[in-house]
Amino acid sequence: LAKTTQPISMDSYEGQEVNITCSHNNIATNDYITWYQQFPSQGPRFIIQGYKTKVTNEVASLFIPADRKSSTLSLPRVSLSDTAVYYCLVGAVSGGYNKLIFGAGTRLAVHP
Amino acid sequence: NAGVMQNPRHLVRRRGQEARLRCSPMKGHSHVYWYRQLPEEGLKFMVYLQKENIIDESGMPKERFSAEFPKEGPSILRIQQVVRGDSAAYFCASSPQMDTYEQYFGPGTRLTVT
Repeated sequence: LAKTTQPISMDSYEGQEVNITCSHNNIATNDYITWYQQFPSQGPRFIIQGYKTKVTNEVASLFIPADRKSSTLSLPRVSLSDTAVYYCLVGAVSGGYNKLIFGAGTRLAVHP
Repeated sequence: NAGVMQNPRHLVRRRGQEARLRCSPMKGHSHVYWYRQLPEEGLKFMVYLQKENIIDESGMPKERFSAEFPKEGPSILRIQQVVRGDSAAYFCASSPQMDTYEQYFGPGTRLTVT
């Protein structure tokens, strides 16, 4: 499993766009990039997953450059309710089961 | 379709007692994972089960901890003779298939050992 590095914490204000970057220099060819969100006192929630270029859903966008050694989770116009810990995970999807390996994550605080 | 259910949500045990944590996966999901989260830390994988089978228990302490997922009923994580260091949030997740990173988590059980 590729090791990931992301900022420990970030601060933002309501209405701003937030970009959280994750480094994964030793990502393998078969690896996908997955992001989870965890609110205080709740279980993590799957946000988005991608392999290359850009993926967008109703919650966020995921940008992956051509070399795939990093990725950026983009949250448009955050609100107070986006205050959470965001985890970046990297690993192969196919070929077996997936025990998720969580790092420390990025603690995002959104201020009024 | 109800989400993953865990009970109890909070559990207080004295040192030496047993703790039983229950997890009902989402309907149609036959893959269950247990994770533990210590205060201010990320989640750590404990065990992966399919119906009636333990597939990977590499993250579970060898002693005092056991898990099962019977043919009928919820998955159970059992901790015998609890110690203060077992105090943590225990999360269960389920998925409809094996090879996916999209797992659905329950609300967790917060175990406090006094």
